[in-house]
Amino acid sequence: SQTIHQWPATLVQPVGSPLSLECTVEGTSNPNLYWYRQAAGRGLQLLFYSVGIGQISSEVPQNLSASRPQDRQFILSSKKLLLSDSGFYLCAWSDQEDSPLHFGNGTRLTVT
Amino acid sequence: QKEVEQDPGPLSVPEGAIVSLNCTYSNSAFQYFMWYRQYSRKGPELLMYTYSSGNKEDGRFTAQVDKSSKYISLFIRDSQPSDSATYLCAMSHAGRRALTFGSGTRLQVQP
Repeated sequence: SQTIHQWPATLVQPVGSPLSLECTVEGTSNPNLYWYRQAAGRGLQLLFYSVGIGQISSEVPQNLSASRPQDRQFILSSKKLLLSDSGFYLCAWSDQEDSPLHFGNGTRLTVT
Repeated sequence: QKEVEQDPGPLSVPEGAIVSLNCTYSNSAFQYFMWYRQYSRKGPELLMYTYSSGNKEDGRFTAQVDKSSKYISLFIRDSQPSDSATYLCAMSHAGRRALTFGSGTRLQVQP
């Protein structure tokens, strides 16, 4: 069966520091991979998606970037964090374009 | 106007009640509909996945889609305290790479 791992679970970082969140999927090949952000009381905002190694599409221009160095690995990064980057970051995968998404347990990021 | 509207709640019901959760949407191209359950500080968990109009049942859960009214529902029978969570609707259509989510309804089932 497929599993998705996301770490760390919580992170507190000062403004201006770099960020690296990692997500890996097991039990499937060539998944579509996604990064979402969820603000308190709001829906999920799509940040990036990837349909293959090295292929990244950005939905919202911002302080963050994503990379997919391996088929089942997806990384969310920032060179310098802003206070507004605080939030709950979720990684997800799907088999194909119209398939439902399966989420990891998220990383709660607090920028101080 | 948001593409998907969902009442944020909270919705509080006694244990054993039938719960009705709803979303409305504006994009008539949507054809894939999902319901997710999210516990506090966890990622959303897929509950139901339906294509086009009609009903789908899975245990205590029934998903209903009315495309003519642009309205989807999730019914929970014999609700349990363990059903207390935020419920998110999501939808998509062919050629769209990502889901559009509602903002979630918080449900509290009182023992």
